[in-house]
Amino acid sequence: DQQVKQNSPSLSVQEGRISILNCDYTNSMFDYFLWYKKYPAEGPTFLISISSIKDKNEDGRFTVFLNKSAKHLSLHIVPSQPGDSAVYFCAAKAEYGNKLVFGAGTILRVKS
Amino acid sequence: DSGVTQTPKHLITATGQRVTLRCSPRSGDLSVYWYQQSLDQGLQFLIQYYNGEERAKGNILERFSAQQFPDLHSELNLSSLELGDSALYFCASSVVDEGTGELFFGEGSRLTVL
Repeated sequence: DQQVKQNSPSLSVQEGRISILNCDYTNSMFDYFLWYKKYPAEGPTFLISISSIKDKNEDGRFTVFLNKSAKHLSLHIVPSQPGDSAVYFCAAKAEYGNKLVFGAGTILRVKS
Repeated sequence: DSGVTQTPKHLITATGQRVTLRCSPRSGDLSVYWYQQSLDQGLQFLIQYYNGEERAKGNILERFSAQQFPDLHSELNLSSLELGDSALYFCASSVVDEGTGELFFGEGSRLTVL
């Protein structure tokens, strides 16, 4: 069963505009949600996370919003830059342990 | 550079064969995780070790096994390989075995089974 879903395989955005990547989850026991970014031929790198007790976390151009009632989170990138073009994975961590459940990823293309 | 080293980067082998993938975690990290990424899919958790002991197990096939050695490097052994085992295998590490989920990933080992 897919506990973490990213329903948009790809997203194309103009440079300078906002990129919004979405993620849905089914397991109420997740206590942290994370976004990882992956460039070709590289491993995923941690971008930003949010605790399940919060509804927003901001780090520079990146903001993650969590809506627990809807079991939905989103990553906002403002303003988007060509260097943001990558695959973005949504991930969730269960309450115990440190293993992650990943979504299938969304390819973001930022056009200049 | 995440500090996690994986070898080999690419591996091509035939069905029925056995391969070993190696991972050296970041300096100071005690926990090692293995993930499999098949084509157009997310990363699937296989197994986690912490300071030499198995800590958590995911959907790892019985044909696959792993271990973490006293120097903290880890090996993932894949045997009786099938075409469907072709994938990217990522190793990740963290200092602790319970945390906020921030892992440091290696560049992956791409396995092609022909």
